[in-house]
Amino acid sequence: DTGVSQDPRHKITKRGQNVTFRCDPISEHNRLYWYRQTLGQGPEFLTYFQNEAQLEKSRLLSDRFSAERPKGSFSTLEIQHTEQGDSAMYLCASSLYTFEAFFGQGTRLTVV
Amino acid sequence: KNEVEQSPQNLTAQEGEFITINCSYSVGISALHWLQQHPGGGIVSLFMLSSGKKKHGRLIATINIQEKHSSLHITASHPRDSAVYICAVCMYRQGNLIFGKGTKLSVKP
Repeated sequence: DTGVSQDPRHKITKRGQNVTFRCDPISEHNRLYWYRQTLGQGPEFLTYFQNEAQLEKSRLLSDRFSAERPKGSFSTLEIQHTEQGDSAMYLCASSLYTFEAFFGQGTRLTVV
Repeated sequence: KNEVEQSPQNLTAQEGEFITINCSYSVGISALHWLQQHPGGGIVSLFMLSSGKKKHGRLIATINIQEKHSSLHITASHPRDSAVYICAVCMYRQGNLIFGKGTKLSVKP
């Protein structure tokens, strides 16, 4: 399978714990996006990488969130000191061209 | 007002019916996507449009750039079409997408 891969698919964590998600984009794609989707809503943009450079961050990305793409390939999204409001589906997408979007299956986070 | 508005929010149809989902947007865009999301979360891109019309099987997507409006049509709907359909726009010079809230479609046998 050469699509966008996200790991884990599901994560349940206690409030206050740190969690890290991974996204492996399609191999030749230089653009990588993270989105967050809460129940009943459309996804919302969190951050964007072109190669290893993080070019844009949403105001939704509080200080507790950090994303990296160290070698311009896979990316990680870490949430520190999780809160119940962080419960959501975290989606990764990659593309070669600006207007494309290829999505992963998402990581569903539940904070209890 | 959201930059991307979809209607209806929920839609129930009988198998075989013709279905239309509408999307209006208020910003200049480089492309518009129609996406399908099944329970469990994964999103599949159905169409990417910058003008005109595209067809794939029983699905048809149209866009009117001047009116800032797009429609997704499903002909001869089937219960397996039941999903959330999301409209998303890609703005000029930006790579990220702005999404509508989605239309939850349920097709009854």
